[in-house]
Amino acid sequence: DAGVIQSPRHEVTEMGQEVTLRCKPISGHDYLFWYRQTMMRGLELLIYFNNNVPIDDSGMPEDRFSAKMPNASFSTLKIQPSEPRDSAVYFCASSLGIQETQYFGPGTRLLVL
Amino acid sequence: AQSVTQLGSHVSVSEGALVLLRCNYSSSVPPYLFWYVQYPNQGLQLLLKYTSAATLVKGINGFEAEFKKSETSFHLTKPSAHMSDAAEYFCAVTSNTGGFKTIFGAGTRLFVKA
Repeated sequence: DAGVIQSPRHEVTEMGQEVTLRCKPISGHDYLFWYRQTMMRGLELLIYFNNNVPIDDSGMPEDRFSAKMPNASFSTLKIQPSEPRDSAVYFCASSLGIQETQYFGPGTRLLVL
Repeated sequence: AQSVTQLGSHVSVSEGALVLLRCNYSSSVPPYLFWYVQYPNQGLQLLLKYTSAATLVKGINGFEAEFKKSETSFHLTKPSAHMSDAAEYFCAVTSNTGGFKTIFGAGTRLFVKA
């Protein structure tokens, strides 16, 4: 398996623009997680899905953030409108079970100017 | 509520020296515990995990960790550091406290001196 795939790897945008991050989990994994990593706040869980259904979105910062999982092989994290404080590395991870090992993608490095 | 505390945001050791990275957790129910490693510009990858079997867990690259319930600790060790061990290490806990959730520690950056 190719592992968790994320795109784009890097994104530079201007404040106010919409940003869409994409993730393809490992085939057969029932759980998908979105994390944000910054120097100041470390690694934060934003939301996770089980069988395409959002289970816990308590980490989503505000209404500007939304995540979807239309099928078992694809998820998006959208920020609209983006702000400079959203600059971070966003990771997607997937796992077979909630207690199982999470496999992380390479991350998307987002810079909002 | 569960939490994870990693003591020391930075640890520096000499090549060949013992590596000890500390992790303490709190959980009202038996936890699953993990150590992940992150190399520059990469995602996290699993080093080892504790799932209520043996308390001494062996992982990849010569790392191991011991679960000590009485101390609520899960410290990561390696007898002899190698330059390639320089990375950031994260301790994580997953437990079912009204719904499963995984919490990551703040991370410890390991420096290895030649």
